[in-house]
Amino acid sequence: DGGITQSPKYLFRKEGQNVTLSCEQNLNHDAMYWYRQDPGQGLRLIYYSQIVNDFQKGDIAEGYSVSREKKESFPLTVTSAQKNPTAFYLCASSADRGQNTEAFFGQGTRLTVV
Amino acid sequence: GQQVMQIPQYQHVQEGEDFTTYCNSSTTLSNIQWYKQRPGGHPVFLIQLVKSGEVKKQKRLTFQFGEAKKNSSLHITATQTTDVGTYFCAKGIGGTSYGKLTFGQGTILTVHP
Repeated sequence: DGGITQSPKYLFRKEGQNVTLSCEQNLNHDAMYWYRQDPGQGLRLIYYSQIVNDFQKGDIAEGYSVSREKKESFPLTVTSAQKNPTAFYLCASSADRGQNTEAFFGQGTRLTVV
Repeated sequence: GQQVMQIPQYQHVQEGEDFTTYCNSSTTLSNIQWYKQRPGGHPVFLIQLVKSGEVKKQKRLTFQFGEAKKNSSLHITATQTTDVGTYFCAKGIGGTSYGKLTFGQGTILTVHP
């Protein structure tokens, strides 16, 4: 069954710790994205990648890092430099390079700093 | 960055009433997409509009793209409790940032039975 998988669904982190969120897709999509969603707000783009071994900062990249070593995988690391990391994190992928096509989202990871 | 403004932020309706959410941009859009996010869920793609003045329907949902390609709307006729959720518009950015989407703030719809 094709899709995009995020893990874990819930994650708790102590202040000062880095944490990595997993995102895997088997849709053979070139492009992958990380969004952050806060209560009552829209989705804000953190990082995106259009091809393996390349990625670009989005609107709120500070305190985050990513890698794209494989087409299927786009992990997001929330570093201790991120001042307000508690949020709902959504990974997405899309197919077509030349046009804007629909984005497929994972189930999301809810990160809480304790 | 470039924004899409979405109104209203909240909408409460009685079941059976109609609902409309609007998406506005200060610049001409190459296309507009609409997504629905159920409470506790993730956004799911509904539709993409590309042509000026385009109107598309999906059962009780009607999507419009303005003639100037600066605004769009989603209208739901005779809402049902299953319509509850947040509706987002998203604008695509072409050129070298293909596929990158900028989302509006969303409209949270609640439907009272």
